[in-house]
Amino acid sequence: EDKVVQSPLSLVVHEGDTVTLNCSYEVTNFRSLLWYKQEKKAPTFLFMLTSSGIEKKSGRLSSILDKKELFSILNITATQTGDSAIYLCAVVPLDNYGQNFVFGPGTRLSVLP
Amino acid sequence: DTAVSQTPKYLVTQMGNDKSIKCEQNLGHDTMYWYKQDSKKFLKIMFSYNNKELIINETVPNRFSPKSPDKAHLNLHINSLELGDSAVYFCASSRFRTANTEAFFGQGTRLTVV
Repeated sequence: EDKVVQSPLSLVVHEGDTVTLNCSYEVTNFRSLLWYKQEKKAPTFLFMLTSSGIEKKSGRLSSILDKKELFSILNITATQTGDSAIYLCAVVPLDNYGQNFVFGPGTRLSVLP
Repeated sequence: DTAVSQTPKYLVTQMGNDKSIKCEQNLGHDTMYWYKQDSKKFLKIMFSYNNKELIINETVPNRFSPKSPDKAHLNLHINSLELGDSAVYFCASSRFRTANTEAFFGQGTRLTVV
C-alpha cells in the first residue's frame, strides 16, 4: 500500500527561524511528489517535484526530492507568522487505473511573533 | 471565479438523515475527487472520477454514493448519516493522469452529525 510519512507532526518556532519539514514515502510506481499548505480551508499548492536533486524555490520556501532515498524536504527560511499552517506532502503513484494523490498526515507549523 | 466550488460550506444534521454535497469545477479538468479530512487533519481519498467514470473507490461505506452528471460536476450523497461521518469533505480536480499535475481543492464542507 502506498504510504507517506511526515515529520515532525508538529513544530513551534519563532519568527525569523528556519525550518525543515520532512516527507518520506513508499509507493509502487512513483510519478510525482507535491507539497501543499493548508491554512483554514483548502490546501493550496506549493511545489511539484518529479526529478531528484533539482531544487524548486518560491520566495522563502524551497523543496528538493531524493528519489533514491525516497524523501523530500521543504525548507522555510526567515519564518513569519503567516507561515503558520499545516504543510501536507502528497505522492502520486503511477498505475493503470487513474490518478490518486496520497497524502501524509501533515506537519502543523506554528510561528510565534 | 472560484476554480473548484463546493456547497454547502457547513452542514449540521441529525443522525439517520440523508444529505448531499455538490461540487463543480471550471478548470476543464477530466478528473475529480472526493477526500475526507478527519479531526487529525488526515486527508484520505474516497472516490476518483475521470470523465464521469468511477476510477477509484476506496474502502468507503456504501452509504456514500458519488454521482457525476458531467465531467465538471461530482456530487456526494450520504445516506443514513452516522456520528463518525463528521469531518471536512474536500472536492478536488486535476488534469488526467497522462499529465504531471497538481490537484486543485475546493474550500471544503464541514459536516457535523449530531
